[in-house]
Amino acid sequence: LAKTTQPISMDSYEGQEVNITCSHNNIATNDYITWYQQFPSQGPRFIIQGYKTKVTNEVASLFIPADRKSSTLSLPRVSLSDTAVYYCLVGKAAGNKLTFGGGTRVLVKP
Amino acid sequence: NAGVTQTPKFQVLKTGQSMTLQCAQDMNHEYMSWYRQDPGMGLRLIHYSVGAGITDQGEVPNGYNVSRSTTEDFPLRLLSAAPSQTSVYFCASSQGLAWNDGELFFGEGSRLTVL
Repeated sequence: LAKTTQPISMDSYEGQEVNITCSHNNIATNDYITWYQQFPSQGPRFIIQGYKTKVTNEVASLFIPADRKSSTLSLPRVSLSDTAVYYCLVGKAAGNKLTFGGGTRVLVKP
Repeated sequence: NAGVTQTPKFQVLKTGQSMTLQCAQDMNHEYMSWYRQDPGMGLRLIHYSVGAGITDQGEVPNGYNVSRSTTEDFPLRLLSAAPSQTSVYFCASSQGLAWNDGELFFGEGSRLTVL
């Protein structure tokens, strides 16, 4: 499973856009990139998944460059309720060892 | 919609005691897994299963046993609890075996304290 590297923490303010970049230099051809959000005392929650280029849903956008060695989760116009830990996962079906890294702790300030 | 149900939510054990954390999902998911999360840390994979009768080890399997006799249930057993196993345990399931089958669904967690 491709190892991922994310910033440990980020601060932002309400209404701003937050961009979290995840590095995954050893990503394999069959690997997908998935992001999860975790609030205190809760299990992680799926945000978005992608393979290449750009994916957008009602919550976030995911940007993946052509070499796929990194990806950026973009949270538009964050609010206080977006304060959470965000995890980047990279993996494929074989083995199915879906391992999480340390995550990025995002603090949204008023 | 029950989703992934974990019991108990809280448990206190003494060193050496055994117990089973229960996990059940009602979504007919093939893939199930157990994670532990220590304070301020990320999730670490303990064991996982890609279907009934099939289990495999994750990153930190020592001290834990699992079985998957049905699609719905994936219990996690601690045979002889140790203080190092004090943690929050999360069970998760996924519809398919491929990454592009989408998301992992997580339970609410089971907080275990070993004295």
